[in-house]
Amino acid sequence: EVQLVQSGAEVKKPGESLRISCTNSGYSFTSSWISWVRQTPAKGLEWMGRIDPSDSYTNYNPSFRGHVTISVDKSTSTAYLQWSSLTASDSAMYYCARPHVSGSSWYDYWGQGTLVIVSS
Amino acid sequence: QSALTQPASVSGSPGQSITISCTGTSSDVGSYDLVSWYQQHPGKAPKVLIYEVTKRPSGVSNRFSASKFGNTASLAISGLQAEDEAHYYCCSYAGRNSPYVFGTGTKVSVL
Repeated sequence: EVQLVQSGAEVKKPGESLRISCTNSGYSFTSSWISWVRQTPAKGLEWMGRIDPSDSYTNYNPSFRGHVTISVDKSTSTAYLQWSSLTASDSAMYYCARPHVSGSSWYDYWGQGTLVIVSS
Repeated sequence: QSALTQPASVSGSPGQSITISCTGTSSDVGSYDLVSWYQQHPGKAPKVLIYEVTKRPSGVSNRFSASKFGNTASLAISGLQAEDEAHYYCCSYAGRNSPYVFGTGTKVSVL
């Protein structure tokens, strides 16, 4: 069974760094891209970017490029979303998601979400 | 890259049919038959209902159907049920530079 399990909720202060994780099981981790999706009440779902675990090639939504970094650790089948300096506007629920199969345009595997709260 | 435009809310009575629109541009919805639709209940992750404009994954009710014309995709829900009360999002492939864009989301209420 394919599972994406995300790390727990985080409460951080502006300017702090953060890395959240998405641990994958039940399939070959390097066979499919992993994407990150942000959700806020104001903007709904936003596609942030994706990574190919086989070679760490990334695509970013221009709105997020330079503000977040997506990476993987193949040894633990884990994908990461990282910030070097958080702002209040980063407060959101973050989901990792995997396409149905490699190359599919739709996501049928999702993590449970990681809530990030940034507040002074 | 702008979000696809959906109505903020749509409502209907049990048993009725409703339609949710998703308007993009010639760079996303209009260029690719790669529109998907997701249902999201409060506190849950999104669940795919439709992929590649019209296709339903195994296990999704045939009360959900979808189509596309030009730059606008549409999701139809027939025989509305209380369990259909949720948020719905469209998503389109938008090219290699920034591959995916979601819609603004629609809250469906069952009266």
